[in-house]
Amino acid sequence: DARVTQTPRHKVTEMGQEVTMRCQPILGHNTVFWYRQTMMQGLELLAYFRNRAPLDDSGMPKDRFSAEMPDATLATLKIQPSEPRDSAVYFCASGLPTGRPDGYTFGSGTRLTVV
Amino acid sequence: AQKVTQAQTEISVVEKEDVTLDCVYETRDTTYYLFWYKQPPSGELVFLIRRNSFDEQNEISGRYSWNFQKSTSSFNFTITASQVVDSAVYFCALSDAGGYQKVTFGTGTKLQVIP
Repeated sequence: DARVTQTPRHKVTEMGQEVTMRCQPILGHNTVFWYRQTMMQGLELLAYFRNRAPLDDSGMPKDRFSAEMPDATLATLKIQPSEPRDSAVYFCASGLPTGRPDGYTFGSGTRLTVV
Repeated sequence: AQKVTQAQTEISVVEKEDVTLDCVYETRDTTYYLFWYKQPPSGELVFLIRRNSFDEQNEISGRYSWNFQKSTSSFNFTITASQVVDSAVYFCALSDAGGYQKVTFGTGTKLQVIP
C-alpha cells in the first residue's frame, strides 16, 4: 500500500530550538495537509497545499511556524523558535480531492516534545 | 463555517455488543463530503469511509455501517458485534466539495470494547 512518510517519528527539543518536520506525500497526490493534534484542541488544521501552492495557512501561528513544499515529493513544517506549547503530534496527509472515493491518507505523525 | 460535533466523548461496551457513534455536522455548502477515521492506540489515522452529500444511501462494510441523514445533518457510524480490536478513537470529518476541500474534524469519540 502507498504510504505518507513522516520524519522524524519522535522529536524532543529544547525551547528556542528550530524544529523541522518532513512529509513525503503519496506519489501523484496533489493535496497535502498539516494537522496538529493535542488533547485540548483535538485535530487542528495548520496548513494545506494544492499542487504545491499554499491554499490556506490561517491555522498556523505565523510568527513561528512556516510550511513549504519545495517539490512534489516533500512538504516541510518548520517551527522557529519552538515553545513548550508546541508539544503535540503533527500529522501530514495527502490525497486527490476530486472525484475519488478515497479519503486523505495520513502519515504516522511526528510526536514533538519541547522541553 | 463548517462544524462537526461528536457529542459522545467516551463509550464503553462489552465485546459483541453493537455500538453507534454519533456525528452531527453544520455546513452552508450544498455539496460536501463526510468522512470517518479511526485512530487506534498506536496513533495513526486510518481512513474508513468518505460519503458524498448527494448519496444518502446507507453503506455497510462488514461489521461497519453508516447512516447518512441529510434532514438531520447526521452521519452516524455503527459497529455490529464489537470486538476488542475496535477500541480506538473515531473521528467524523467534513469537507466542502468545491475548490478548497478543507477537512474539518470533530473532537472524536473514544470507544473502549471490554472483553
